[in-house]
Amino acid sequence: QQQVRQSPQSLTVWEGGTTVLTCSYEDSTFNYFPWYQQFPGEGPALLISILSVSDKKEDGRFTTFFNKREKKLSLHIIDSQPGDSATYFCAASKTGNTGKLIFGLGTTLQVQP
Amino acid sequence: AQTIHQWPVAEIKAVGSPLSLGCTIKGKSSPNLYWYWQATGGTLQQLFYSITVGQVESVVQLNLSASRPKDDQFILSTEKLLLSHSGFYLCAWSLAGGGAEQFFGPGTRLTVL
Repeated sequence: QQQVRQSPQSLTVWEGGTTVLTCSYEDSTFNYFPWYQQFPGEGPALLISILSVSDKKEDGRFTTFFNKREKKLSLHIIDSQPGDSATYFCAASKTGNTGKLIFGLGTTLQVQP
Repeated sequence: AQTIHQWPVAEIKAVGSPLSLGCTIKGKSSPNLYWYWQATGGTLQQLFYSITVGQVESVVQLNLSASRPKDDQFILSTEKLLLSHSGFYLCAWSLAGGGAEQFFGPGTRLTVL
């Protein structure tokens, strides 16, 4: 059973548009949620993260929203650029443990110019 | 600034042969270290973690072993490779355990024939 689920599996948006990626999780004790961006052949790069005590975190064009009651989160990318084309992973963890991150299956984003 | 280096960049090995992959972190004292495996086009799965020299915990059994001989070094190895070991191996570090940001290295691409 996949503990962290992402949708959609793949997505194509036009340059300048807004991208919305979603993630849901099962374990209500998860309280730390990072998003990673991965380009082909490279290691994932931490994009933005949020703790369950917050409902929103913004960093430039990237914003993540967290809904504890529904056990869902989302990543919004405004003014999407072709350079944003990558695979995005949502992950979850519990504070106080040894750092086990559970990753979703990822969303592959293509931004068309 | 902290840097993370993985070696080799890529390996092509025969089934049944031994393997040793390495990871070095510079610029951080006593980090938590992690090994992840990623199948081609797949998600990331944590294999091992270490919070201190000489101490390694296994998360998933994949006929692999890990060691931490120095504070800044993490080694992944096996005596006998399987076809299923093919994939992308990633080392990561964090300052602490759960809830701490994890930063990934560039990865090692392993092909087992």
